[in-house]
Amino acid sequence: QLQLQESGPGLVKPSETLSLTCIVSGGSISSGRYLWGWIRQLPGKGLEWIGTIYYSGTTSYNPSLRSRVTISVDTSKNQYSLMLNSLTAADTAVYYCAREWLLYLGFDSWGQGSLVTVSS
Amino acid sequence: QAGLTQPPSVSKNLRQTATLTCIGNSNNVGNQGAVWLQHHQGHPPKLLFYRNDNRPSGISERLSASRSGNTASLTITGLQPEDEADYYCSAWDSTLSVWVFGGGTKLTVL
Repeated sequence: QLQLQESGPGLVKPSETLSLTCIVSGGSISSGRYLWGWIRQLPGKGLEWIGTIYYSGTTSYNPSLRSRVTISVDTSKNQYSLMLNSLTAADTAVYYCAREWLLYLGFDSWGQGSLVTVSS
Repeated sequence: QAGLTQPPSVSKNLRQTATLTCIGNSNNVGNQGAVWLQHHQGHPPKLLFYRNDNRPSGISERLSASRSGNTASLTITGLQPEDEADYYCSAWDSTLSVWVFGGGTKLTVL
């Protein structure tokens, strides 16, 4: 059974860079049938798509975050990562990694989520 | 960017039927179709339907979904306590090139 697990710091200072990793087990990240994404939930608000990566390294980012986001993949470790720079308190959220089906069919498997607080 | 529109809350009695709506436009719901997610706080979201009305394996048949034009609907019959959750719709917006989400509907089972 596919499992995704986010790892990273729970507390980051303003203006610094957030780095999160999603470790994938029970399935290969190199499967050409899926994309691998990051989604966040801001406090008291809904979900916001951050971006997606294919195992080849091709990425797609939310235009509202594109200037600050980098998603990368390490197929040898079966994991992928998110970097978000120039953090502010508005980036405080629960960050999820999730597997996305091709052809815009949606996200079928999610990690447990990682709460990230931006505060000095 | 513009998101999808969902009612903030719906309350129904046990064993009743709830219908949740999601309004988009011709670039998202009306184009690529809607995805429905169920979210119990403290747990990861769960995919309920994709491409409007396709149910992944393991999803209860008490749940059904449909789309008419730019509006998607999720119907839950015979409401149970475990159905109490937040429900999100989502769709790929082909003009904005972004996944858009609704604000979520909190379903309360009385």
